[in-house]
Amino acid sequence: DIQMTQSPSSVSASVGDRVTITCRASQGISSWLAWYQQKPGKAPKLLIYAASSLQSGVPSRFSGSGSGTDFTLTISSLQPEDFATYYCQQANNFPPTFGGGTKVEIK
Amino acid sequence: QVQLVESGGGVVQPGRSLRLSCAASGFTFSTYGMHWVRQAPGKGLEWVAVISYDGSNKYYVDSVKGRFTISRDDSKNTLYMQMNSLRAEDTAVYYCAKDRDGYISYYFDYWGQGALVTVSS
Repeated sequence: DIQMTQSPSSVSASVGDRVTITCRASQGISSWLAWYQQKPGKAPKLLIYAASSLQSGVPSRFSGSGSGTDFTLTISSLQPEDFATYYCQQANNFPPTFGGGTKVEIK
Repeated sequence: QVQLVESGGGVVQPGRSLRLSCAASGFTFSTYGMHWVRQAPGKGLEWVAVISYDGSNKYYVDSVKGRFTISRDDSKNTLYMQMNSLRAEDTAVYYCAKDRDGYISYYFDYWGQGALVTVSS
């Protein structure tokens, strides 16, 4: 199975900050990568698919980039509702696998 | 709008069975692949199984193969997961999730609220 490694595991940031989360795949996955946001007690929400495509209804402050093995999720200006845990997920190889998550906390 | 509502979770003894259901609405259920994804308490996400739009293809993560069976009833817009020979390590919140595309893309664009399954004696 492909291992997905996210860093950092947690980040403290303030409203208005630019936040970048990285995700590394144990082997190349082209652009078959998604990012999800999960708030406590809630289901995950799809933010980005195909590495850089913004899911409908997701604010444009979220963006994704990368291909091959290295990917990033960037929140350009952190908003109060963005404090959550973020997961990357590869969709290139079976079975699909998720990263361990990055918790974005209030500084 | 798209809605997925799971039911059937609960506490079950090791070795016993449980069936989860996921009622779908707000989209043409019969034209999308559907998935189950689980999350153990305080842990990350793990994909469990998928069924194609027409039910002809079903795939499972190795840890549940031979014990879990995914199925669908398009007349009822409902997805199922029959879970047999349950183990303590199957304890998790189980989410049903819609595939983003008509074929199986393994991108999950809508999720249910989750059903908690606790396997304990």
